[in-house]
Amino acid sequence: DAGVTQSPTHLIKTRGQQVTLRCSPKSGHDTVCWYQQALGQGPQFIFQYYEEEERQRGNFPDRFSGHQFPNYSSELNVNALLLGDSALYLCASIQRDGNEQFFGPGTRLTVL
Amino acid sequence: AQSVTQLDSQVPVFEEAPVELRCNYSSSVSVYLFWYVQYPNQGLQLLLKYLSGSTLVKGINGFEAEFNKSQTSFHLRKPSVHISDTAEYFCAVSEVGVNEKLTFGTGTRLTIIP
Repeated sequence: DAGVTQSPTHLIKTRGQQVTLRCSPKSGHDTVCWYQQALGQGPQFIFQYYEEEERQRGNFPDRFSGHQFPNYSSELNVNALLLGDSALYLCASIQRDGNEQFFGPGTRLTVL
Repeated sequence: AQSVTQLDSQVPVFEEAPVELRCNYSSSVSVYLFWYVQYPNQGLQLLLKYLSGSTLVKGINGFEAEFNKSQTSFHLRKPSVHISDTAEYFCAVSEVGVNEKLTFGTGTRLTIIP
């Protein structure tokens, strides 16, 4: 079992650019959640995808959007990058009726 | 909405000594409680979880936590720490029935002193 995988590992962008991060859930999981972890902080919930739709959303602007594919994998897109978007972006997967989220290793995004 | 407070941002402990990492939460509804560990440059790994039943929960790597509803606490303990326990520890809650959204505390950095 490969667990949750994320790509890329690291990414450097400049202000105003757009970025796409990718996540493959753990085998058997159908729900993907994205979190942003700023340096020295706990992860903050961005949104959840289930059945290819956004189901819940945290307190993040519309610049943050996502997508889920039929194979349950997911993308996180961030437009018009700001310096404050620099963070570790974590993907987690969970079975719809489950109670435990499994996290990937994260993508470290640096905005210059 | 829920919130989580981890009272200690850093905890230094001598090797083989006991440790307690404190976590308090606030919620108007019933919650599930979790402790996650994050090693440097890695994602989060679940240590243990409280869903219901016995208030004393045992997890991996010798950790345990006790749910105290009256004090809204979920403190993490280990009787004897090892160098390999050096990591960041996060307490988290989710609303019962809304398991997809975790609310995390700001974390406690546990440093083991040889």
